Amino acid sequence: DGGITQSPKYLFRKEGQNVTLSCEQNLNHDAMYWYRQDPGQGLRLIYYSQIVNDFQKGDIAEGYSVSREKKESFPLTVTSAQKNPTAFYLCASSISWFRDRDLSATNEKLFFGSGTQLSVL
Amino acid sequence: ELKVEQNPLFLSMQEGKNYTIYCNYSTTSDRLYWYRQDPGKSLESLFVLLSNGAVKQEGRLMASLDTKARLSTLHITAAVHDLSATYFCAVALVDSGAGSYQLTFGKGTKLSVIP
Repeated sequence: DGGITQSPKYLFRKEGQNVTLSCEQNLNHDAMYWYRQDPGQGLRLIYYSQIVNDFQKGDIAEGYSVSREKKESFPLTVTSAQKNPTAFYLCASSISWFRDRDLSATNEKLFFGSGTQLSVL
Repeated sequence: ELKVEQNPLFLSMQEGKNYTIYCNYSTTSDRLYWYRQDPGKSLESLFVLLSNGAVKQEGRLMASLDTKARLSTLHITAAVHDLSATYFCAVALVDSGAGSYQLTFGKGTKLSVIP
């Protein structure tokens, strides 16, 4: 079955430690995204990537880093510079606007992974 | 900067009743999404609304889009307990020059349907 796989489901970070959240998709989507969700809040965009070897900062990129070496994978590193990392992290993917200019024909939408809950020890 | 506001943020309703969730946004867009999230789970796509006047229905949920008013509604008909969840609207901005695409989410409406 095609989909997005996030791992681990739960992750604990010690002070000063970097941790990496995994996101893999087999939907053949060009675009991938990382969102952060805090309790009672909507989703906020951290980073996104429209194509391999390219990515852009979202609204809250400070303290995070990403890489996009393969189309299928978009890992997120939460660095020690992120002072308040406790949140639910969601990865998503979609057909790239580059590839399909007529998105109405595809009923394009984001597909989300199951999420990673990150907590600080 | 695109702002997306949902109201109400919390909604408690009895089974069998009707209610509407509102989603207002600040910048022109012709692409709006509704998602459902159960506690501790990921987001499930409900509707994609792509043009002014678009209306979509699935079961007891109906979504509509008025791009001129920058307003989308999610109407719940004869609510049942299984509809209890948090509902998010999200508005898309497409940058045709950069070929980029971003969604901005509302804060969500937490719906509790009481038997």
